[in-house]
Amino acid sequence: QQQVKQSPQSLIVQKGGISIINCAYENTAFDYFPWYQQFPGKGPALLIAIRPDVSEKKEGRFTISFNKSAKQFSLHIMDSQPGDSATYFCAASTTSGSRLTFGEGTQLTVNP
Amino acid sequence: DTAVSQTPKYLVTQMGNDKSIKCEQNLGHDTMYWYKQDSKKFLKIMFSYNNKELIINETVPNRFSPKSPDKAHLNLHINSLELGDSAVYFCASSPRTIGRGFYNEQFFGPGTRLTVL
Repeated sequence: QQQVKQSPQSLIVQKGGISIINCAYENTAFDYFPWYQQFPGKGPALLIAIRPDVSEKKEGRFTISFNKSAKQFSLHIMDSQPGDSATYFCAASTTSGSRLTFGEGTQLTVNP
Repeated sequence: DTAVSQTPKYLVTQMGNDKSIKCEQNLGHDTMYWYKQDSKKFLKIMFSYNNKELIINETVPNRFSPKSPDKAHLNLHINSLELGDSAVYFCASSPRTIGRGFYNEQFFGPGTRLTVL
């Protein structure tokens, strides 16, 4: 049972463009929504995370937008750079559990 | 360096063999995990231990057995390896302790690429 659906599966963006990756979840008990970034040959690493008490969180060029009523959240990468090329995973969990439920991943390629 | 480390990084073996992957974290975390990442990059949790106690045991073949000698180590032993076991296996840890309600940031190791021939 896939509780977090992520799209698109792959994304190609030109340098300087905006990359947008979307996720939708089913479990209304989720209250922590992180994004992980994975470079080839490396393990995933936390990029940015949001809790449902805010609708947006920004860290540098990375922004999470959160829509609680629609049970959707998205990652926006402004001024995308070739160094941003990686696989991005959205995830969700509850504070009372230790399990992170990951989306399927999005392979982002930023062309120079 | 403080980190989650795994050995070996690459493991190539024949079908039917038994192999182990070791994981160590020096972050002082309470919880450790094993994930399998398939060729489509999907991350599937396999097991999780909290202070040496098994807390997540997903539906994986019983050929896979985790062992946690202490809270800094979580090893994965695989018996009778099959072609379908070929994947990248990630160990992770998090500071979360059940009951404290910390948000669950997980720190991943570099992965072990297992190839079964």
